Amino acid sequence: DIQMTQSPSSLSASVGDRVTITCRASQSISNFLNWYQQKPGKAPKLLIYDASSLQSGVPSRFSGSGSGTDFTLTISSLQPEDFADYYCQQSYITPPFTFGQGTRLEIK
Amino acid sequence: QVQLVESGGGVVQPGRSLRLTCAASGFHFSSYGMYWVRQAPGKGLEWVAGIWNDGSKKDYAEPVKGRATISRDNSKNTLSLQMNSLRVEDTAVYYCARSMGGAPIDHQLLRGEYLDYWGQGMLVTVSS
Repeated sequence: DIQMTQSPSSLSASVGDRVTITCRASQSISNFLNWYQQKPGKAPKLLIYDASSLQSGVPSRFSGSGSGTDFTLTISSLQPEDFADYYCQQSYITPPFTFGQGTRLEIK
Repeated sequence: QVQLVESGGGVVQPGRSLRLTCAASGFHFSSYGMYWVRQAPGKGLEWVAGIWNDGSKKDYAEPVKGRATISRDNSKNTLSLQMNSLRVEDTAVYYCARSMGGAPIDHQLLRGEYLDYWGQGMLVTVSS
């Protein structure tokens, strides 16, 4: 199975900061990488699919990049509502649906 | 609008069974693969089971294989997860989710799937 590793596991930042979260796959997955945001007590929400395609309704301050094994999620200017957990997920081969372990973005 | 509403959670003793149901609305249910994903308290997301749009293929994560059965009724727009021989480690919030994208790369596997809509989640607590 393909393993997904996110870094960092947690991150403190301030409103207005530019933030980058990294996800690494254990083998090449081309651009088949998705990102989800999860706020406390809520269901995950799809942000980015196919590494860089913005899901409908997601603010343009979110962007994704990468291919092969290394991927990034960037938030260009943090807003208060962006403080949440973020997960990557590979879609190169499913099943299994493998997620990264998550990154918690906290307010500094 | 797309809605997924889970039901059937609660507190159950180890070794007992539970059936979760997800009622779908706002989209053509029979055109989409569906998944169950769970999240143990304070932990990350874990895929549990998936089913193709026509029910012809079902897949299970190793921790639940042999104890879980995923099914769907396309005439009633419902997805179900039957969990038997429940263990304390099955305690989690269970989400149903719709699969989007995904092209077959052979008769068993897909490429390019993502989960674009999720239910609100249903807590299952396994405790004596």
